[in-house]
Amino acid sequence: RKEVEQDPGPFNVPEGATVAFNCTYSNSASQSFFWYRQDCRKEPKLLMSVYSSGNEDGRFTAQLNRASQYISLLIRDSKLSDSATYLCVVGYNFNKFYFGSGTKLNVKP
Amino acid sequence: SAVISQKPSRDICQRGTSLTIQCQVDSQVTMMFWYRQQPGQSLTLIATANQGSEATYESGFVIDKFPISRPNLTFSTLTVSNMSPEDSSIYLCSVPGGSTDTQYFGPGTRLTVL
Repeated sequence: RKEVEQDPGPFNVPEGATVAFNCTYSNSASQSFFWYRQDCRKEPKLLMSVYSSGNEDGRFTAQLNRASQYISLLIRDSKLSDSATYLCVVGYNFNKFYFGSGTKLNVKP
Repeated sequence: SAVISQKPSRDICQRGTSLTIQCQVDSQVTMMFWYRQQPGQSLTLIATANQGSEATYESGFVIDKFPISRPNLTFSTLTVSNMSPEDSSIYLCSVPGGSTDTQYFGPGTRLTVL
């Protein structure tokens, strides 16, 4: 079983739509959680950390459910520039990270 | 955030040869990480490069195939040895992100082995 699992998509949505991604992780001892964004042929870049209390950054909201071992990312009012692959990342011991295979988002005009 | 550069940005190599990838960080860091991202796949950690000690390799990766150097706190190299087409991948180095406990990545080296 993979450490981190994501639906690869693609999610094809119109501009302005709300879209949500989920990610599940297998190790209940996981300590840190993140969403990264990766544009085509570019390196991953941190989008946001995910906390148990949930956190919001503009149009982006991340949630963590430790009991069910899943993480979610909600994007409201999608923009064309949101088109990318979104990677779910789970950390252990603050220096070991496992990456999901990514969920591809295409926002269409 | 740290500024990380990698050289080369891309290369096309013949099977059986070796390529050394360089990673330079603009600040001193204790740990540097090397990842591989194969086409259509996610990132897989190859090894952790610690200054002053041998690198720590993940399951499935060995020093003979991926020797790593870490001569100081701002620099590391990864060599992909005796390459085969299966080694075609993007290789990324990363460093810890400080208080956020996350990582910052270099721009990656895109390797194609013929």
